[in-house]
Amino acid sequence: EDQVTQSPEALRLQEGESSSLNCSYTVSGLRGLFWYRQDPGKGPEFLFTLYSAGEEKEKERLKATLTKKESFLHITAPKPEDSATYLCAVGGSSNTGKLIFGQGTTLQVKP
Amino acid sequence: EPEVTQTPSHQVTQMGQEVILRCVPISNHLYFYWYRQILGQKVEFLVSFYNNEISEKSEIFDDQFSVERPDGSNFTLKIRSTKLEDSAMYFCASSGIAGLETQYFGPGTRLLVL
Repeated sequence: EDQVTQSPEALRLQEGESSSLNCSYTVSGLRGLFWYRQDPGKGPEFLFTLYSAGEEKEKERLKATLTKKESFLHITAPKPEDSATYLCAVGGSSNTGKLIFGQGTTLQVKP
Repeated sequence: EPEVTQTPSHQVTQMGQEVILRCVPISNHLYFYWYRQILGQKVEFLVSFYNNEISEKSEIFDDQFSVERPDGSNFTLKIRSTKLEDSAMYFCASSGIAGLETQYFGPGTRLLVL
């Protein structure tokens, strides 16, 4: 069964304190790994797509990396506006676009 | 920048009533999806839709649920007889040539069943 697990569930950082979020996955045929940002009461906002081990993507203070079993979202020198829940999802083994989400990591960055 | 829109933003209904949630996907996208998120839980896949047909549906998507693309712009989710446990945020998403799974989500409809 396709599965996604994210850790930690919650993370508190001081402004400027870099850290990483983890996403472990089990899927029979990976059709991409996706990172989203979700603000309270809002829809997931697309950040990155990764398709193969070794791939990296960057956007401002965020960098996503992928291995055969997990992905990391590195946050460098975060600011309070980076506070949100970060969701990881994988494309399922069926060729229908179904995404399987993890439970998310809620990040709080204090000034 | 193109975006997915959803209406209404909030809906309160009585148990047993029918509700229709509406979505306008990004205009050149061809693949459409509904997900739901119960408060404090994961985002869960409900259904995928392509070429006027359901591609895949989850176990949650039982006979009480249906989807439709009534015209060239709208995509709807109907729940025929709502239950208390249908209370959740419902998200519409769409994807295009970037790949099925690179999906862009709408802001959601918060459904409360009393």
